[in-house]
Amino acid sequence: EAQVTQNPRYLITVTGKKLTVTCSQNMNHEYMSWYRQDPGLGLRQIYYSMNVEVTDKGDVPEGYKVSRKEKRNFPLILESPSPNQTSLYFCASSSSGLNSYEQYFGPGTRLTVT
Amino acid sequence: GQQVMQIPQYQHVQEGEDFTTYCNSSTTLSNIQWYKQRPGGHPVFLIQLVKSGEVKKQKRLTFQFGEAKKNSSLHITATQTTDVGTYFCAELSNYQLIWGAGTKLIIKP
Repeated sequence: EAQVTQNPRYLITVTGKKLTVTCSQNMNHEYMSWYRQDPGLGLRQIYYSMNVEVTDKGDVPEGYKVSRKEKRNFPLILESPSPNQTSLYFCASSSSGLNSYEQYFGPGTRLTVT
Repeated sequence: GQQVMQIPQYQHVQEGEDFTTYCNSSTTLSNIQWYKQRPGGHPVFLIQLVKSGEVKKQKRLTFQFGEAKKNSSLHITATQTTDVGTYFCAELSNYQLIWGAGTKLIIKP
């Protein structure tokens, strides 16, 4: 089954404790992206990657890191989480075909930083 | 920066009534995508519009792209409980999706 998986689905942590949210897709997609979703603000892009070893900042990259060492994986790293990073996080992937950048989303990771 | 404005934020309807959400931009949109997010779920792609004046239908859903490519709308005819959720528009620009804030469709009990 074609899918994007994220782990963990829920995480409660404390300020300053490094964490990683994993994202994996099995569709051989070149493009992957991380979003955060906050009430009333829609989805805001954190980072995206056009292909292996190619990453770029989105609209809200501060406090986050990513890496793309393999095509299927795109982990999101919070080196020193703060309470303002409490949010719902989505990973997404899409093919890089010219006609469509339809994005396939993972199920989401709800992060709480206390 | 680039923005896509989406209204209304919420729409309460009786089951069977119609629903419409609008997206507007001050600049010309290269394309517009629409997504649906069910409560507790993740966004799911519905459609992409590219051409000026384009109209596409999916059963009870009608998607329009304005002639000037500065606005788009999603209209649902005769809403059903399965339509509940938040509908987002998004523009693909420079390999990024710029998202509207979403319109939440609520069915009145």
